[in-house]
Amino acid sequence: DADVTQTPRNRITKTGKRIMLECSQTKGHDRMYWYRQDPGLGLRLIYYSFDVKDINKGEISDGYSVSRQAQAKFSLSLESAIPNQTALYFCATSDAGRPGTQYFGPGTRLLVL
Amino acid sequence: SQQGEEDPQALSIQEGENATMNCSYKTSINNLQWYRQNSGRGLVHLILIRSNEREKHSGRLRVTLDTSKKSSSLLITASRAADTASYFCATESGGATNKLIFGTGTLLAVQP
Repeated sequence: DADVTQTPRNRITKTGKRIMLECSQTKGHDRMYWYRQDPGLGLRLIYYSFDVKDINKGEISDGYSVSRQAQAKFSLSLESAIPNQTALYFCATSDAGRPGTQYFGPGTRLLVL
Repeated sequence: SQQGEEDPQALSIQEGENATMNCSYKTSINNLQWYRQNSGRGLVHLILIRSNEREKHSGRLRVTLDTSKKSSSLLITASRAADTASYFCATESGGATNKLIFGTGTLLAVQP
């Protein structure tokens, strides 16, 4: 079984809808991250969490919110989706004891019409 | 803003040849990492080099780091068709431990 899972893997939604992307991990890591990937722009950090009570904004947090429900779960919400949020979204985890290395989920492909 | 810029944006080589891709960054770093991404999939960590290291090897991978030039290179030797993927550098800086800033990536195509 994959260590970092994301649901759904693909999602099509309409402008103005609220959607939630979910991430679960079995690696026992404290730290979790949400990124979006757009063609030619690499990955950009949306939000990150270093433990259950810790939530931090990343580079591009506007229009997004997150919830860290448990150590193993970190969800990303788009309160009112807009077309320029069409992208590939990745969740990642890292171990505080091993600086740097992050472990990525398979991604969620989101299309906002 | 992107920390890393990668060069070239795309690279096509024949199986067996070596592939070299470069990454430049803007600020001082704690470490620099390289990741691979197969089409539409999650990123996989390849190798990490710390700011006080100049070269590191892992199998067919060789990474160099020149902090005076704020640049790194990834060399893949004896390439295989399975090496076809996008390769990203990522930097971790200052007190923002575990926050990575990614480059824009190099798309490598290895022709059989």
